[in-house]
Amino acid sequence: ETGVTQSPTHLIKTRGQQVTLRCSSQSGHNTVSWYQQALGQGPQFIFQYYREEKNGRGNFPPRFSGLQFPNYSSELNVNALELDDSALYLCAALPGLAGGSSTDTQYFGPGTRLTVL
Amino acid sequence: RKEVEQDPGPFNVPEGATVAFNCTYSNSASQSFFWYRQDCRKEPKLLMSVYSSGNEDGRFTAQLNRASQYISLLIRDSKLSDSATYLCVVKGSGGGADGLTFGKGTHLIIQP
Repeated sequence: ETGVTQSPTHLIKTRGQQVTLRCSSQSGHNTVSWYQQALGQGPQFIFQYYREEKNGRGNFPPRFSGLQFPNYSSELNVNALELDDSALYLCAALPGLAGGSSTDTQYFGPGTRLTVL
Repeated sequence: RKEVEQDPGPFNVPEGATVAFNCTYSNSASQSFFWYRQDCRKEPKLLMSVYSSGNEDGRFTAQLNRASQYISLLIRDSKLSDSATYLCVVKGSGGGADGLTFGKGTHLIIQP
């Protein structure tokens, strides 16, 4: 087991709504990243947090935002949902700071499957 | 040009055969390389890291050619349980804060 959990497992929303997805990882996982995986595509990097500070962002619009909390949990918020936001949203965690001398391997949670109608 | 390119397949291979996947990446400053495996409707799971010297883990062998910006994965004596999508993954040089860059994945089907 990776020690990374996500909730909810599945979610259906309508266009224009807002959604919050959650991720929990085990103690010591200081870095958390979020990815979007559309059907038939590889995961795309949304952003990364290290000790509650965002330290990296992919090519996603500002309506994708996030938070990381001291208890190693994290949230992904998406405002003004669009049909193309339908995807599997993956949270990945690892100890230390991704890159540098820390381990490079990231362990993914099971994902939240979001459908936007 | 896509950052990480893979042949999407599907590759239909009989059980016991050897199968090879290739992947190319565009960012010459990339530092770390991986193969992940993803089963249908599941999360990606790390299969192995890839090093310039080449590395082997049981039936799996990975190779990296930095000059050609090319990564490969070889699976020997394939099993039915190897059926999955194999994702080529690269991490850049931005201190890790630029996340992982995934290819679209290569779909492998092992046939009995």
